[in-house]
Amino acid sequence: QKEVEQDPGPLSVPEGAIVSLNCTYSNSAFQYFMWYRQYSRKGPELLMYTYSSGNKEDGRFTAQVDKSSKYISLFIRDSQPSDSATYLCAMSDYGNNRLAFGKGNQVVVIP
Amino acid sequence: DAGVTQSPTHLIKTRGQQVTLRCSPKSGHDTVSWYQQALGQGPQFIFQYYEEEERQRGNFPDRFSGHQFPNYSSELNVNALLLGDSALYLCASSLGTGTAFFGQGTRLTVV
Repeated sequence: QKEVEQDPGPLSVPEGAIVSLNCTYSNSAFQYFMWYRQYSRKGPELLMYTYSSGNKEDGRFTAQVDKSSKYISLFIRDSQPSDSATYLCAMSDYGNNRLAFGKGNQVVVIP
Repeated sequence: DAGVTQSPTHLIKTRGQQVTLRCSPKSGHDTVSWYQQALGQGPQFIFQYYEEEERQRGNFPDRFSGHQFPNYSSELNVNALLLGDSALYLCASSLGTGTAFFGQGTRLTVV
């Protein structure tokens, strides 16, 4: 079983729709949860960062962490064509900066 | 703040050759990690450097080695290149426990 599972299927949505992405994980020691956005042929850009369980909102983006279910989510409201990118979930445990990544979801927002 | 910078951006090497990739971390960051990202996959952790020592290592062979300098910059060396080493190599910097910031990556093609 991989540490982090992210269904890599591409996702196409119309502009203005809500995008919902999620990851599951197996390592109960993970405490830090991140979402990165990666444009084609570029490095990952940190989008959201959450410590332990709970919700975090930043503009159109909401990250949720449910440690009891080992499940994290990212929601993008009012999606824009500029949101078209690959979204990677990542996580690490306390005192350890080694990130475990999911495979990524390619999101396409159609104008 | 220049962020994390990597050089070169692109590189083409022949099987069996050796390559050196370079990374300058974000200002004030003392920890540098290297990741390999194959096409369509999430980044895979190679190793991490802190205080000029390799602190952690992922599941990569000894052909992959690194170094960190007193100014926190780092190098990744890969010997005896294989076709399968073709990937985007990412450098991430961090300070203590927490988020990691990535550079733009070096795209290595082995022919």
